[in-house]
Amino acid sequence: GQQLNQSPQSMFIQEGEDVSMNCTSSSIFNTWLWYKQDPGEGPVLLIALYKAGELTSNGRLTAQFGITRKDSFLNISASIPSDVGIYFCAGPTGGTSYGKLTFGQGTILTVHP
Amino acid sequence: NAGVTQTPKFQVLKTGQSMTLQCAQDMNHNSMYWYRQDPGMGLRLIYYSASEGTTDKGEVPNGYNVSRLNKREFSLRLESAAPSQTSVYFCASTVGGPYGYTFGSGTRLTVV
Repeated sequence: GQQLNQSPQSMFIQEGEDVSMNCTSSSIFNTWLWYKQDPGEGPVLLIALYKAGELTSNGRLTAQFGITRKDSFLNISASIPSDVGIYFCAGPTGGTSYGKLTFGQGTILTVHP
Repeated sequence: NAGVTQTPKFQVLKTGQSMTLQCAQDMNHNSMYWYRQDPGMGLRLIYYSASEGTTDKGEVPNGYNVSRLNKREFSLRLESAAPSQTSVYFCASTVGGPYGYTFGSGTRLTVV
């Protein structure tokens, strides 16, 4: 089946630093989704990307849909302690009508005050 | 507005015991899903129900069964728990399609 590979697996940064993470696939995706999971909670959608080359922002977050449709990037600017959590990329599989998602392994972000 | 409610939040089972994880949504969503989350492996789909009255296997269905009791409720059953089923289980729902998932807060299951 389709697999999504995220890197890095974990990041330890100082408050105020910028963060970059990416997600790659051996298969083409027509939609890329980025989720954040706070400790003890379920994932929450941050950004959705629907078109190759698309660049979308949500506050301090910016995500890009790669031109090849096999990768996506998420950047967080000026990190703050509440950015701590696990960030997942995800894409639809098996046709969008069923709503199934494939998730990457996640990037664990730790922000030191 | 509760969203997706999962019960219980924590559970410890002995190998061979059975249990049912409950999930209910109050958003009138058509589709519901069960995922498991293991360290370093992201979330993997166990079973899903695209609409009331239908269920289908996902990526890792072995050892599990599901019931879509009605439009609101989608339960996951472990008939004979194994240590490999130690995981965090998430239920999710959408109105339809892969966009706009709402996840529950999870059930942390340990099988000893």
